[in-house]
Amino acid sequence: KAGVTQTPRYLIKTRGQQVTLSCSPISGHRSVSWYQQTPGQGLQFLFEYFSETQRNKGNFPGRFSGRQFSNSRSEMNVSTLELGDSALYLCASSYYRVEETQYFGPGTRLLVL
Amino acid sequence: GQQVMQIPQYQHVQEGEDFTTYCNSSTTLSNIQWYKQRPGGHPVFLIQLVKSGEVKKQKRLTFQFGEAKKNSSLHITATQTTDVGTYFCAGLNSGGSNYKLTFGKGTLLTVNP
Repeated sequence: KAGVTQTPRYLIKTRGQQVTLSCSPISGHRSVSWYQQTPGQGLQFLFEYFSETQRNKGNFPGRFSGRQFSNSRSEMNVSTLELGDSALYLCASSYYRVEETQYFGPGTRLLVL
Repeated sequence: GQQVMQIPQYQHVQEGEDFTTYCNSSTTLSNIQWYKQRPGGHPVFLIQLVKSGEVKKQKRLTFQFGEAKKNSSLHITATQTTDVGTYFCAGLNSGGSNYKLTFGKGTLLTVNP
């Protein structure tokens, strides 16, 4: 089976812009979670989607949003980018629940200038 | 909210020495997962512990879940250079319906050959 894929792998944006990141889970996986990884804060949970519905949400401002499509592919959007949004954004998929093994994608490295 | 503390933050060892990282949660956990992230890579699932006092082994790696299900440890016997990376624990909160994984900040292990 192909692993979790994320596009793009690298992105450079300027403050105030918005960005959309994409994640394709492993075939058959219906739960997709997004994480932000930074050196200072580590891995922080953004949100989880299952069957096109946001099931859980972390403590991030409303500028961070996401959605999931009927084929389980997911996108996350960050509007009005700030310098502090520079990070590695990882998505992870599992069959049904976060309690299961999380399979991570390679991540999208976002740099905000 | 739930916090997961992991110590030490960094550990440098000589090849052949043992290594241990500890994980402590502010709340009782339903389960705990361990992941390894190689430099430049993404987190890869190692193991999940569910039962109070559970001990699991994978070759040179030994994982323990505390009796109170609030702490866990990962011990590597006779480290090798292939063990280099950051080891994360991730706790799943117990109770309620808002399940999410809370990751510790990780322990970066470097091994001197």
